[in-house]
Amino acid sequence: DQQVKQNSPSLSVQEGRISILNCDYTNSMFDYFLWYKKYPAEGPTFLISISSIKDKNEDGRFTVFLNKSAKHLSLHIVPSQPGDSAVYFCAASADNTDKLIFGTGTRLQVFP
Amino acid sequence: GEEVAQTPKHLVRGEGQKAKLYCAPIKGHSYVFWYQQVLKNEFKFLISFQNENVFDETGMPKERFSAKCLPNSPCSLEIQATKLEDSAVYFCASSQSSRVGTGELFFGEGSRLTVL
Repeated sequence: DQQVKQNSPSLSVQEGRISILNCDYTNSMFDYFLWYKKYPAEGPTFLISISSIKDKNEDGRFTVFLNKSAKHLSLHIVPSQPGDSAVYFCAASADNTDKLIFGTGTRLQVFP
Repeated sequence: GEEVAQTPKHLVRGEGQKAKLYCAPIKGHSYVFWYQQVLKNEFKFLISFQNENVFDETGMPKERFSAKCLPNSPCSLEIQATKLEDSAVYFCASSQSSRVGTGELFFGEGSRLTVL
């Protein structure tokens, strides 16, 4: 039973354009959602998070949107840069506790 | 240290052998977490510690897996009698608190275990 789903295993975007990564969840008890970025042979690094009381959080080129009624969140990267090429994992936690539940990741490739 | 340090980076074991992985959390972080990533899929939570005490072990397999965080020593994750299905990258992460929903969880580079 996968509580956090990333249905697109890969995404290819041209440099300068917008990248949109999607994530769906099933557990209505989740109250924090996060995006992690992972390069090969490295651990995931935190990118941006959003509380369930918000519907948008922005940090520079990165914006996360949350649609609670649809149990859906998305990460927008604009403009996309080649250095953004990585695997992006969506994660969620309930009651801001210790357990992060991760999705299976989306590999983003930004080409010149 | 300033980062989560995991050793070894790679470990190869024959089926049935023991495997032991180590993790030194970021200095000042009292929470340590272990995650398992199989075949580049999602990260599965295994266990967490608050200092040397088990905080949450709901993800730990009932058999063959054990973990410890002892004072003044790296934390460890041990797998007795490894099986092929244990092949994965094991990530350790640390945090100042148990509340990781806002992104205060820092991961190490992982230890890749290959069971042959």
